[in-house]
Amino acid sequence: ILNVEQSPQSLHVQEGDSTNFTCSFPSSNFYALHWYRWETAKSPEALFVMTLNGDEKKKGRISATLNTKEGYSYLYIKGSQPEDSATYLCAMRGGTSYGKLTFGQGTILTVHP
Amino acid sequence: EPEVTQTPSHQVTQMGQEVILRCVPISNHLYFYWYRQILGQKVEFLVSFYNNEISEKSEIFDDQFSVERPDGSNFTLKIRSTKLEDSAMYFCASRGRGELFFGEGSRLTVL
Repeated sequence: ILNVEQSPQSLHVQEGDSTNFTCSFPSSNFYALHWYRWETAKSPEALFVMTLNGDEKKKGRISATLNTKEGYSYLYIKGSQPEDSATYLCAMRGGTSYGKLTFGQGTILTVHP
Repeated sequence: EPEVTQTPSHQVTQMGQEVILRCVPISNHLYFYWYRQILGQKVEFLVSFYNNEISEKSEIFDDQFSVERPDGSNFTLKIRSTKLEDSAMYFCASRGRGELFFGEGSRLTVL
């Protein structure tokens, strides 16, 4: 059974702080790692899809790295803003390009003004 | 920007009743999925659908569940006889450009 774990479970930071959280996943049978941002009552929003070991992706103040050999990905947010408050989900796709996603439990980020 | 839409946003039903959750995927996407999240638990995969047939399903997706694409646009999830443990948020997704695009979810409450 594939197990994807995220830490921490929740995080409270002050506006302007930089923060990061971790997604760990089994390194065998890896195809892709997805990051989503999910605000309450909205649909999960795709942030990044990463496939190659050493991948680094960036979107504005948010960036992510991938280590497929050791089975982890980091998501970084630089200069957090209150609007960054959301649940951040990672999900691993194993096997094939159309395979199912296996999700972590999410990290709930709260950015205080 | 195209988006995945789901109806209803919330449905309350009695145990044993049939429920149909509806989804309109993004129009040029070919792969469709249903996921669910029971409160406090991880989002979990139910089923994937391609070329008018199920391509993969989880052990959760038993005989009480079915999916179909009746008219080329809608993608439905039917639960024949709901149980209390079916209470969850159900998400539809469609795949394009290597990404999954999710709807806002349908919350199902079984009493």
